[in-house]
Amino acid sequence: GNSVTQMEGPVTLSEEAFLTINCTYTATGYPSLFWYVQYPGEGLQLLLKATKADDKGSNKGFEATYRKETTSFHLEKGSVQVSDSAVYFCALKEFTNAGKSTFGDGTTLTVKP
Amino acid sequence: DVKVTQSSRYLVKRTGEKVFLECVQDMDHENMFWYRQDPGLGLRLIYFSYDVKMKEKGDIPEGYSVSREKKERFSLILESASTNQTSMYLCATGGQVLETQYFGPGTRLLVL
Repeated sequence: GNSVTQMEGPVTLSEEAFLTINCTYTATGYPSLFWYVQYPGEGLQLLLKATKADDKGSNKGFEATYRKETTSFHLEKGSVQVSDSAVYFCALKEFTNAGKSTFGDGTTLTVKP
Repeated sequence: DVKVTQSSRYLVKRTGEKVFLECVQDMDHENMFWYRQDPGLGLRLIYFSYDVKMKEKGDIPEGYSVSREKKERFSLILESASTNQTSMYLCATGGQVLETQYFGPGTRLLVL
């Protein structure tokens, strides 16, 4: 079956530090890949996505590249801000799985001023 | 703007009570989902529905049921609430199979 493995947290960084959150996946076909973000007290919202190999998703300074050869979709940001403090979820969707998403366990990021 | 609303943000219930959590979407999406979120366990799928009156079990359906009488509304029912159902409940919708899911703000349920 499908699975998503995320870097374990929590992650604590100082403002303006470089962020990487690792995500690797297992899928039987050709999934779409997503990063969702959950701010305190809220539901998840889409941060970025990529639908095929070598696609790069980007939003709000975050980037992730769909790497089929390494089955990875690592999230990066060059300079984090306090407002980026949240829980980040990597996820995949596959056509054969009836529209269901497979989520990683989430990584909590805290950015200190 | 996509809108997914959940009937309550916070709910306190007693053991044995029947609990209804409601989710409404305005996107005309076919697919709707109920998850629970617990620390250290990520998101776990309870039930999903891909059409009106259609439902399928997710990974942890025990102790729950669902109802989808109209396309825009998907209800989660705890038949007899237990303390181990204390959790954050998230509703989500989705259109095309490979596209984004849209989440509601969540209901934090405490069962005493």
